[in-house]
Amino acid sequence: AQKITQTQPGMFVQEKEAVTLDCTYDTSDPSYGLFWYKQPSSGEMIFLIYQGSYDQQNATEGRYSLNFQKARKSANLVISASQLGDSAMYFCAMREALVNQAGTALIFGKGTTLSVSS
Amino acid sequence: EAGVVQSPRYKIIEKKQPVAFWCNPISGHNTLYWYRQNLGQGPELLIRYENEEAVDDSQLPKDRFSAERLKGVDSTLKIQPAELGDSAVYLCASSLTLLETQYFGPGTRLLVL
Repeated sequence: AQKITQTQPGMFVQEKEAVTLDCTYDTSDPSYGLFWYKQPSSGEMIFLIYQGSYDQQNATEGRYSLNFQKARKSANLVISASQLGDSAMYFCAMREALVNQAGTALIFGKGTTLSVSS
Repeated sequence: EAGVVQSPRYKIIEKKQPVAFWCNPISGHNTLYWYRQNLGQGPELLIRYENEEAVDDSQLPKDRFSAERLKGVDSTLKIQPAELGDSAVYLCASSLTLLETQYFGPGTRLLVL
């Protein structure tokens, strides 16, 4: 079973509008972290926002906010006031808790392509 | 602060040839990761280093892939011999420690003909 599911292959939004990118995850670990990264066509993965499983409040970073619904196992990214430069691929990722003190790397979804038009 | 540096940015080789990728992590970052990203997919971990020790290489195809991180700073990932299916983007990332946010380099786009 996929651990990170991003069901939207592509999303289209106009400048200045808000957009929500969906992410659901699957883990039995009570302690985990959720991340969103942006990957423009240049290829670099840019860290946007982080949410810990025990965090009481939804994370926010400037125009980015994470709508964390733990019971539903969803961690949707909300981008407010979209800009042309937001056009990119967006990846949701999860890091599970330390396993036998060894830890794990990030597990990524397949990504969502966001296109912002003027 | 300089980010993660990778070179080369692009590499085209013929199958069965060797190839090497280099990564310089953010200064002070103890944990270094190599990921492979196939077209249309998210990155997948190949190997993780804690300082100079490879602590998670379960996904590294050891028959043709090798990696090293001498002195716990720069790292090199090598493929020998390369196969057509190795065409992908190879991303290096680093973090202060295992539990900190990972920051990625620009990647090396490999095309094997």
